[in-house]
Amino acid sequence: QVQLVQSGSELKKPGASVKVSCKASEYTFTSYAMNWVRQAPGQGLEWMGWINTNTGNPTYAQGFAGRFVFSLDTSVSTAYLQISSLKAEDTAVYYCARAGGSGTNDLYYFDYWGQGTLVTVSS
Amino acid sequence: DIVMSQSPDSLAVSLGERATITCKSSRSVLYSRNNQNYLAWYQQKSGQPPKLLIYWASTRESGVPDRFSGSGSGTDFTLTISSLQAEDVAVYYCQQYYTRVPTFGQGTRVEI
Repeated sequence: QVQLVQSGSELKKPGASVKVSCKASEYTFTSYAMNWVRQAPGQGLEWMGWINTNTGNPTYAQGFAGRFVFSLDTSVSTAYLQISSLKAEDTAVYYCARAGGSGTNDLYYFDYWGQGTLVTVSS
Repeated sequence: DIVMSQSPDSLAVSLGERATITCKSSRSVLYSRNNQNYLAWYQQKSGQPPKLLIYWASTRESGVPDRFSGSGSGTDFTLTISSLQAEDVAVYYCQQYYTRVPTFGQGTRVEI
């Protein structure tokens, strides 16, 4: 059964960095694009961008370029989200989500989601 | 970017009754070459990640109960829960994946 398992909650001070991992299992990691979605407390879902797991090419949504970096380690079927210069408004649950479809490594509906990683930024 | 607007923001439905959520996109998400609507529906229960219910506007994901159905085309879509069960209490989101910038509706909270 396809699984996306994310790293645990993080508490960081403003200005620090954080790296969230998303380990995939039970499918060919490099055949499906990986997306990142943010959900601020009590708010809706916001797409942050995606990474082509075959080429490693990331694409960032408006507002997520610069401090946010998507990366991969295909040897361990893991995607990463790194956020630098953290601000209080980065406090949110961050989800990885696999793009479904026919294994074309492109944008489709999101068929599997990680359990979410809560990042709290507070002094 | 395509703006997705859901209505209502919340609704209360009695057990066994029908729940209907609508989603409007600011422009068509129907791709003429394959006649597919690039529209998905998700369910998010409290404290859980979203779960895919419907894709291509009307295709039910494997394992999703058949009381959930999706319909519509172009810019107007509907998610229907034919007979609401207690476990259906959740927030429901529509999402378009027609463009290179997928966008979600604001969510609709369904309560008993």
